[in-house]
Amino acid sequence: AQTVTQSQPEMSVQEAETVTLSCTYDTSESNYYLFWYKQPPSRQMILVIRQEAYKQQNATENRFSVNFQKAAKSFSLKISDSQLGDTAMYFCAFMKQSGGSNYKLTFGKGTLLTVNP
Amino acid sequence: EAGVAQSPRYKIIEKRQSVAFWCNPISGHATLYWYQQILGQGPKLLIQFQNNGVVDDSQLPKDRFSAERLKGVDSTLKIQPAKLEDSAVYLCASSLRPWGQGVEQYFGPGTRLTVT
Repeated sequence: AQTVTQSQPEMSVQEAETVTLSCTYDTSESNYYLFWYKQPPSRQMILVIRQEAYKQQNATENRFSVNFQKAAKSFSLKISDSQLGDTAMYFCAFMKQSGGSNYKLTFGKGTLLTVNP
Repeated sequence: EAGVAQSPRYKIIEKRQSVAFWCNPISGHATLYWYQQILGQGPKLLIQFQNNGVVDDSQLPKDRFSAERLKGVDSTLKIQPAKLEDSAVYLCASSLRPWGQGVEQYFGPGTRLTVT
């Protein structure tokens, strides 16, 4: 079974600074996807960034970037120039093909990030 | 482009009553998912549809939960009868396809269910 572990239940950062959220996962598969989702207090889950396991290059989306270490099964999210609007719960998620047309997204428990002014 | 729509946003019912949630995915998205998110946890997949067929319902409590996706577009999730432990946010998500390009899932605003 796949597990996704986010070891930091809560984090805080000052506005304009950089913060890194950690995520590790457990799988024996070689082909899979990894995602970071953001869930602000309004509850809507928003996709932040995605990484394909076969790609060595780390994904980036504006101020958000990942450090994907496949051998270590680590997938951390770096947020640069933090803004007050980045305050949210951040979920790391893992998806693999389970055979046939079955693909399942498994979420970690989340990290609550607070950006302080 | 319009996002995933869900209704109602909030629902309060007593235990043993029934409730239904509705979801309209992003236009053209073939894959639709229902998740249950209990407070303080990540979402847990309940059921996945590919067009109007069920792909995975292994974690759906079938004695009380049911879901359908008529004509491969809108979907409804029903709970009958509800239990206290069903109190959660029910999230609907859709993706263009289940794998490859377009695998990203886009979520609706969710329905917060409180069972008293």
